[in-house]
Amino acid sequence: AQKITQTQPGMFVQEKEAVTLDCTYDTSDPSYGLFWYKQPSSGEMIFLIYQGSYDQQNATEGRYSLNFQKARKSANLVISASQLGDSAMYFCAMREVNSGGSNYKLTFGKGTLLTVNP
Amino acid sequence: DTEVTQTPKHLVMGMTNKKSLKCEQHMGHRAMYWYKQKAKKPPELMFVYSYEKLSINESVPSRFSPECPNSSLLNLHLHALQPEDSALYLCASSQGAAAQNTEAFFGQGTRLTVV
Repeated sequence: AQKITQTQPGMFVQEKEAVTLDCTYDTSDPSYGLFWYKQPSSGEMIFLIYQGSYDQQNATEGRYSLNFQKARKSANLVISASQLGDSAMYFCAMREVNSGGSNYKLTFGKGTLLTVNP
Repeated sequence: DTEVTQTPKHLVMGMTNKKSLKCEQHMGHRAMYWYKQKAKKPPELMFVYSYEKLSINESVPSRFSPECPNSSLLNLHLHALQPEDSALYLCASSQGAAAQNTEAFFGQGTRLTVV
């Protein structure tokens, strides 16, 4: 079963507008972490924002905010005031404990390709 | 310094060659990871090292052999690869492998082509 689901293969947004990238997840572990990464065409994975399963407030980092709805198991990324440099692939990821219980694995969704239009 | 450095950036190798990918970090992180990423796909975990010991091997074929000589270095030795092994290989590190909330920092990757 897919652990992380990103239903939007591609998204378009006008420069300076806000955009929401969807992410839903599935886990039975009460303790988990959710991450968003940006991957430009150069290949590097750039960490954007983190949300812990026990965090009471939604995470924010500059223009990035995470709309965390625990009961719905969703962790959508909101990018405000989009810039041309935001054009990239965006991955939602979840850190959960491995079967041995000793280490955490980071599992990625399929990604959303965001294109910011001038 | 929040940098993970991978070398080489590009590699073309024949199916009978032996080559190595290198990864280095100086953030004092004690967990290091290898991921494989095919075009237009998400990264897939291959190996996790925790405190220089292999802690996770995601059933990776033996033609891929990881090595962690010390806490700052991670190598991936390649031997007798197949064309389908062509991909972007990403190295990452984090403070620990047993911590839920520590983000992983990634290198820029090595684009490997097997001919």
